[in-house]
Amino acid sequence: DIQMTQSPSSLSASEGDRVTITCRASQGITSYLAWYQQKPGKVPKLLIYAASTLESGIPSRFSGSGSGTDFTLTISSLQPEDVATYYCQKYDSAPFTFGPGTKVDIK
Amino acid sequence: QVQLVESGGGVVQPGRSLRLSCAASGFTFSSYDMHWVRQAPGKGLEWVAVISYDGSNKYYADSVKGRFTISRDNSKNTLYLQMTSLRAEDTAVYYCAKEKFAYDILTGYNYWGQGTLVTVSS
Repeated sequence: DIQMTQSPSSLSASEGDRVTITCRASQGITSYLAWYQQKPGKVPKLLIYAASTLESGIPSRFSGSGSGTDFTLTISSLQPEDVATYYCQKYDSAPFTFGPGTKVDIK
Repeated sequence: QVQLVESGGGVVQPGRSLRLSCAASGFTFSSYDMHWVRQAPGKGLEWVAVISYDGSNKYYADSVKGRFTISRDNSKNTLYLQMTSLRAEDTAVYYCAKEKFAYDILTGYNYWGQGTLVTVSS
């Protein structure tokens, strides 16, 4: 099975900073990758699918890129409401594995 | 509006069984693949199982294969997860989740239920 890794596992940045989270698949998954945001005590929310397509209603400061094995989620200007754990997920075929998550805090 | 409401969670002894339900409304349930995803306390998300919109295809995580069965009743707009031979490591909040697009087009989950907690403990 394809394994998903994320880096870093956590980060702390200042409001307004540009934040980048990396997700790597152990084998190529073309662009079959989604990103989710989970705020503390809340249900996950779909941010991006097909590696780079922004879900409706998601602020444009979020963007995704990559294909094959290496993917990136970028928050162009970190806001206090972005404090959350971010997960990538492959969906090229079962199992639809999630990455371990990246916890984002505000300094 | 789309609603997914899980039920059936609770405390169960190791080795016993439990059936979770997810009642769906606000969309054409019979057109969408549905998933179960779980999250152990303080841990990350773990994909559990998927069932195609018509119930013809089902896939499972290795951690639950042979013990869990996903099913659906499109006449009742309800998704199920039958869990048997439960283990302590199955303790988690179980979410049902809806694919964004219909008819086996996989893109991710645009709606999630609020989850139901399953605790496996003696």
